[in-house]
Amino acid sequence: DQQVKQNSPSLSVQEGRISILNCDYTNSMFDYFLWYKKYPAEGPTFLISISSIKDKNEDGRFTVFLNKSAKHLSLHIVPSQPGDSAVYFCAASVVVTGANNLFFGTGTRLTVIP
Amino acid sequence: NAGVMQNPRHLVRRRGQEARLRCSPMKGHSHVYWYRQLPEEGLKFMVYLQKENIIDESGMPKERFSAEFPKEGPSILRIQQVVRGDSAAYFCASSPPEGTNEKLFFGSGTQLSVL
Repeated sequence: DQQVKQNSPSLSVQEGRISILNCDYTNSMFDYFLWYKKYPAEGPTFLISISSIKDKNEDGRFTVFLNKSAKHLSLHIVPSQPGDSAVYFCAASVVVTGANNLFFGTGTRLTVIP
Repeated sequence: NAGVMQNPRHLVRRRGQEARLRCSPMKGHSHVYWYRQLPEEGLKFMVYLQKENIIDESGMPKERFSAEFPKEGPSILRIQQVVRGDSAAYFCASSPPEGTNEKLFFGSGTQLSVL
């Protein structure tokens, strides 16, 4: 039962353009959402998060948007750079702590074309 | 990746053998989590340990899988009598006490292949 879904396995974007990665979830109890970035042969690293009391969180080139009514969040990267090429995982939890309650999506492989 | 060390990076086992995966958390981190990523799936939680204690093993298969985090030394994920379906990437993550999930640091993973 995949409670967090990333329906696009891959995305290609031209350098300098906007990358939009999407994520849907089914559990309305989820209260906290995170994006992780993973390079080949490395583990995921935390990128940006948002709690359900907000609908937007911005950190430099990265912005996460949350639409609670649609149970949907998205990660915007602008401008996209070749170094952003990686697999991006969306994750959700009921509380802000406790990685034993963290549910991950299947990932979207982003390729930024120079 | 912030100092969480996993070894080996790749492990090949034949059906019926035992697999031992090791994880040394970041210095100062006392919470260790194991995740498994099967092909075409997301990371799935397996077990959460603190020193000498299993806090939550709700994600662990009931048979053949065990985990420990002894007072001294790394955390070990042990899979007995491996089967082909155990082939996956196994990730360990650690966090400090009272750390939020933003403070979760992952190792590079162990890719287990069962022949």
